[in-house]
Amino acid sequence: DGGITQSPKYLFRKEGQNVTLSCEQNLNHDAMYWYRQDPGQGLRLIYYSQIVNDFQKGDIAEGYSVSREKKESFPLTVTSAQKNPTAFYLCASSIVGGFSYEQYFGPGTRLTVT
Amino acid sequence: EDKVVQSPLSLVVHEGDTVTLNCSYEVTNFRSLLWYKQEKKAPTFLFMLTSSGIEKKSGRLSSILDKKELFSILNITATQTGDSAIYLCAVGRDDKIIFGKGTRLHILP
Repeated sequence: DGGITQSPKYLFRKEGQNVTLSCEQNLNHDAMYWYRQDPGQGLRLIYYSQIVNDFQKGDIAEGYSVSREKKESFPLTVTSAQKNPTAFYLCASSIVGGFSYEQYFGPGTRLTVT
Repeated sequence: EDKVVQSPLSLVVHEGDTVTLNCSYEVTNFRSLLWYKQEKKAPTFLFMLTSSGIEKKSGRLSSILDKKELFSILNITATQTGDSAIYLCAVGRDDKIIFGKGTRLHILP
């Protein structure tokens, strides 16, 4: 089965700790994206990558970092510099880069920082 | 500033009713408008619209885009409880995508 997997589903961390969220896809998609979703809010783009070893900041990149060493993987690190990290994080991919195309989403990771 | 506004934010109807969800936008360098359904976790793709006036259909769902008036509607006929979800509208440009806040639809049996 092709798709996007995110792990873990739920993650709890203490304030001040960095945490890394996993995103893996076996769809052979070139582009991958990270979004944050807060209650009553739309999805907001954190980072995106259109090809391996390259990525760009989205609208709310501060306090986050990513890497794209493999086509299949796009992990997101939430650093201690992120002021309000508790949120639902969604990873997505698309066949080609750009934002005018259908994106396939993973099941998400709900991060709670206390 | 680019924005995508969905209305209503929340809607409760009875099974069998027809609903219309609205999405208006002010986005420079528009490329496409996309609709997604988010039931529990992962949004799933419904439609991508790029041309005005051409209706896209998938079963009981349909959508149309008006690029002159800058809006799109998503229609669901003969609603079922399985249609209960958050419906997300997004507008894509070459360099970014802007999501609306979504419409939370609840279908009563």
